[in-house]
Amino acid sequence: DAKTTQPTSMDCAEGRAANLPCNHSTISGNEYVYWYRQIHSQGPQYIIHGLKNNETNEMASLIITEDRKSSTLILPHATLRDTAVYYCIVRAGYNTNAGKSTFGDGTTLTVKP
Amino acid sequence: DTGVSQNPRHKITKRGQNVTFRCDPISEHNRLYWYRQTLGQGPEFLTYFQNEAQLEKSRLLSDRFSAERPKGSFSTLEIQRTEQGDSAMYLCASSSSGGTQYFGPGTRLLVL
Repeated sequence: DAKTTQPTSMDCAEGRAANLPCNHSTISGNEYVYWYRQIHSQGPQYIIHGLKNNETNEMASLIITEDRKSSTLILPHATLRDTAVYYCIVRAGYNTNAGKSTFGDGTTLTVKP
Repeated sequence: DTGVSQNPRHKITKRGQNVTFRCDPISEHNRLYWYRQTLGQGPEFLTYFQNEAQLEKSRLLSDRFSAERPKGSFSTLEIQRTEQGDSAMYLCASSSSGGTQYFGPGTRLLVL
């Protein structure tokens, strides 16, 4: 699985958009970008994933660059409850031999009032 | 959808004792994964199953660790002769055939 690079920490004002970057320059053609978040002492929570097109769901938007070497997770209106560690990972997708997810140390997002 | 469940949620044990954790995946998921997470680090892969077959094991899974998924449904992770370094959060996840992995709440182990 490709390695990802994320900033260690970021701050965001409540109500503003939080933009979390991720670099994955060695991503392979069949690998998806997945985002999870982990609130203190809980299991990681799935947020969103994508292959090459931008994706949006009720939680967030995912913007993947055309060369797929980086992506940005956007939380459009951050709330205090969005304070968490956010992990970006890349792995092969459905109906493949994709097994483990390789997590880095993630980005600690702190949403401030 | 009841999600992935793990039991117990917390376990305190003395060094040298054996412990067993259980994971119940999302019912239709054929793949089940175990991860370990220590404080301040991201989850680290331990092993995964497709149905009842254990397909991959990490080098982190020493001889004292064993995982089973006997009927392709729930799974157990046993640690024999626990050491203080085994203190961590043990996470279980499940997926359908390599799709999105959904995680359980974890079992926090403290070895005294």
